[in-house]
Amino acid sequence: QSALTQPASVSGSPGQSITISCTENSSDFGSHNRVSWYQQHPGKAPKLIIFDVIKRRSGISNRFSGSKSGNTASLTISGLQAEDEADYYCCSYGDSDTWVFGGGTKLTVL
Amino acid sequence: QVQLVQSGAEVKRPGASVKVSCKTSGYTFIGYYLNWVRQAPGQGLEWMGRLNPHSGDTNYAQKFQGRVTLTRDTSINTVYMELRGLKSDDTAVYYCAREAGDPFDFWGQGTLVAVSS
Repeated sequence: QSALTQPASVSGSPGQSITISCTENSSDFGSHNRVSWYQQHPGKAPKLIIFDVIKRRSGISNRFSGSKSGNTASLTISGLQAEDEADYYCCSYGDSDTWVFGGGTKLTVL
Repeated sequence: QVQLVQSGAEVKRPGASVKVSCKTSGYTFIGYYLNWVRQAPGQGLEWMGRLNPHSGDTNYAQKFQGRVTLTRDTSINTVYMELRGLKSDDTAVYYCAREAGDPFDFWGQGTLVAVSS
């Protein structure tokens, strides 16, 4: 069964760029593009920001971008702003028509 | 506009069952899978399962197989999640989420289920 590993936390100063990684433990990751990213502010429902690895959801700032190399997908946020401080989760299509989330990464804007 | 509205918070005893509803509107109900995702206090998101409202077919995470059941009522565009044999570590906020071409594009507001003796 696949598992997705994310760093527990990342931080950056306003205006800087940060990257959050999402590594899958199986070789299947590279064979599909069904990776998505979600932003969650405290007490709120998650919000879709990136899907199919690189596609930005309508209405999402172009400061958010996605990529993938081998078994690692990444979310990059450029020009960090205070409102970007949140938890971020990757998600991938798993075995037998299932989905799996990464453990989540807490982004702190210093 | 697309809306997913969930039922209210529940408090249950260990061993009991809970059934949470997710009423949808603003789109063709049978056209999109409905998923359930939970989040324990201070923890990450955990995918539980999904239902095809058109066929009623379901897929469940291995962890919840045999303990969770997803059903739907197409007459009122509502999906239900029933979890049995509740334990204290089932205390969580339970979300329903629509799965479109871009997965989980709309989410319910969440339902807190607290399990305590």
